[in-house]
Amino acid sequence: QVQLVESAGGVVQPGGSLRLSCAASGFTFTSCGMHWVRQAPGEGLEWVAFIPYDGSNTKYADSVKGRFTISRDNSKNTLYLQMGSLRADDTAVYYCAKDRLVSSYSGSNFDFWGQGTLVTVSS
Amino acid sequence: EIVLTQSPGTLSLSPGEGATLSCRASQSVSNYLAWYQQKRGQAPRLLIYDVSNRATGIPARFSGSGSGTDFTLTISSLEPEDFAVYYCQHRRSWPLTFGGGTKVEIK
Repeated sequence: QVQLVESAGGVVQPGGSLRLSCAASGFTFTSCGMHWVRQAPGEGLEWVAFIPYDGSNTKYADSVKGRFTISRDNSKNTLYLQMGSLRADDTAVYYCAKDRLVSSYSGSNFDFWGQGTLVTVSS
Repeated sequence: EIVLTQSPGTLSLSPGEGATLSCRASQSVSNYLAWYQQKRGQAPRLLIYDVSNRATGIPARFSGSGSGTDFTLTISSLEPEDFAVYYCQHRRSWPLTFGGGTKVEIK
């Protein structure tokens, strides 16, 4: 069965950095685009970033562009999110999610999700 | 950016009743509209994609309809496990966006 397991988040000071990882199993990781989606406490869902199956042509929400970098290691079936210049409004549960389409450069929907990891930006 | 507006914000219903949730887009998303269910403390679950296609394992009491800018998620008869928050999401263009959610609560 599909499993997505995010690394532990944590508390980071404003302006700091943190890298999240997501270990994938149960599907052909090398054929699937992947996303990060976040949810601030008590709020709705916000798409953050997308990376196609081959790692090319990444996409970002304007709110994180230039500060966050999505990447993947297909040899390790692992997705990453490098977060920098963190701000209080980046505080959220971060989910990795699998794209529904196979071998596509177009993001679509999120058919499997990790359990989420909480990142708190606070001094 | 395409803005998705969901209504109502909260729906208070009893088990066995039907539910109708609305999602309106600020511009046409064609048929690229999906619905998710999120229970407290859990990750969202894909219910419906491309307006009316049920995801794997989703019961037939969930159905979607609409086109262009106006979409509806219908739950024909609410089961106790259906009380949750529901989000719509489009894939028409970047950035992908979600609606603000509709909470379906027990009356």
